[in-house]
Order: sequence, then C-alpha cells, then structure tokens
Amino acid sequence: NAGVTQTPKFQVLKTGQSMTLQCAQDMNHNSMYWYRQDPGMGLRLIYYSASEGTTDKGEVPNGYNVSRLNKREFSLRLESAAPSQTSVYFCASSEALPGDGDQPQHFGDGTRLSIL
Amino acid sequence: RKEVEQDPGPFNVPEGATVAFNCTYSNSASQSFFWYRQDCRKEPKLLMSVYSSGNEDGRFTAQLNRASQYISLLIRDSKLSDSATYLCALTHYDMRFGAGTRLTVKP
Repeated sequence: NAGVTQTPKFQVLKTGQSMTLQCAQDMNHNSMYWYRQDPGMGLRLIYYSASEGTTDKGEVPNGYNVSRLNKREFSLRLESAAPSQTSVYFCASSEALPGDGDQPQHFGDGTRLSIL
Repeated sequence: RKEVEQDPGPFNVPEGATVAFNCTYSNSASQSFFWYRQDCRKEPKLLMSVYSSGNEDGRFTAQLNRASQYISLLIRDSKLSDSATYLCALTHYDMRFGAGTRLTVKP
C-alpha cells in the first residue's frame, strides 16, 4: 500500500541547474499538492491541482512550475535552481480540495533538496 | 500576525505526564481543522481531525474553540513514542499549517 510516492529522496544541485521532482499517488485522489518545509516556517503551499488537467498557484509559487500528468502524477519543476530553494519538498494528495468538506491530506516522505 | 501560530516548544515532559498544546488562527472563516504528527525528518501524518464538540482518540483529545479561534491537543499518559513535532492545520480555500510544537517525552 504505497500511498504517495516521491522521487528522488535526496538531491544536490548547483545554482542554475534544473530538475523535476516526481510524485505519484495510488489512492485515486482528485487533488494533489506540493509544499516546501523550512525550519521555523512550517509547510507552505507551492502549487496545487484540484483535479486532472488543472493547476493553481499556492502561497509561494515563484521559481517553480508544475504538471498534472494524469490523475496519479503531479510533478514539480525547478527551471533554474537558486540557493533559496534549498528545502524539504513534500507532495500530498486528498480526495477533494480544502473547503470541500473534512478532507485531510496524505503526504509522501519528502525530497531533501540542497542547492549550492 | 501569522495565519496559524503555535508555540514552538520544545515541551520536555516525563513519561506518564499530561501535556497540552494550543494553536491559534486568524481567519474566522476557517472550516476544517486537523492535528498532524511529524517525526524527525519524516512526512507529516494525520493524527486526528478536530470538531467543535471535541473528539477523543485513545489518549489524545482535540478541541476547537471558534469564538476564541484556537484548537488544542491534549495528550494523557505520555509515552516515549509520543516524542515528535505536532502540527496544526486548518482549511479555508487551501490548507494552512502551523510551524509545529516539538514534544520530547523522557523516561
């Protein structure tokens, strides 16, 4: 029972490099999310996807792009990595969007990204 | 003022103690409320939802006070395995998380 799977688990990049973080869920959830977590800041929403084919900006979208490839997969891309993007990135999914009832989110185990 | 605020702790308590955390929020239109548990370097995991009437799950009790805009989590008979960071979360159009309260339970 995999739940939410993220790859890679660790990555080190140089400033200016690009990379894509992958996320897949097997719970048949409609909504998916990307967060970053920094010390003392809590989880902050980068982008989310209410359903297949739609994506929207969250609280901190600058420097990121996303793709909702199908119902299962939601990827996060850093086009030109900056040291300020060093963080732990979590993907999550839920049956429906917040505001559509009591819908907790289920998280992947995170990607630890360092940008030098 | 942050939208969701938690005392970062750390709370250091002996085994068997009762400990309580509060989480205050600024958006009175917030709809759903949750407590998540996060172990060191791991993902957040849902601990329990929080309802206005209060709800209990074993040693854990959650309360919501809409008038004063806070939620609380009470842990009774603390175990070593309860050591973790506890995040509150609430929803309106999206889900907002507190920065977490760190709990260490000592023998």
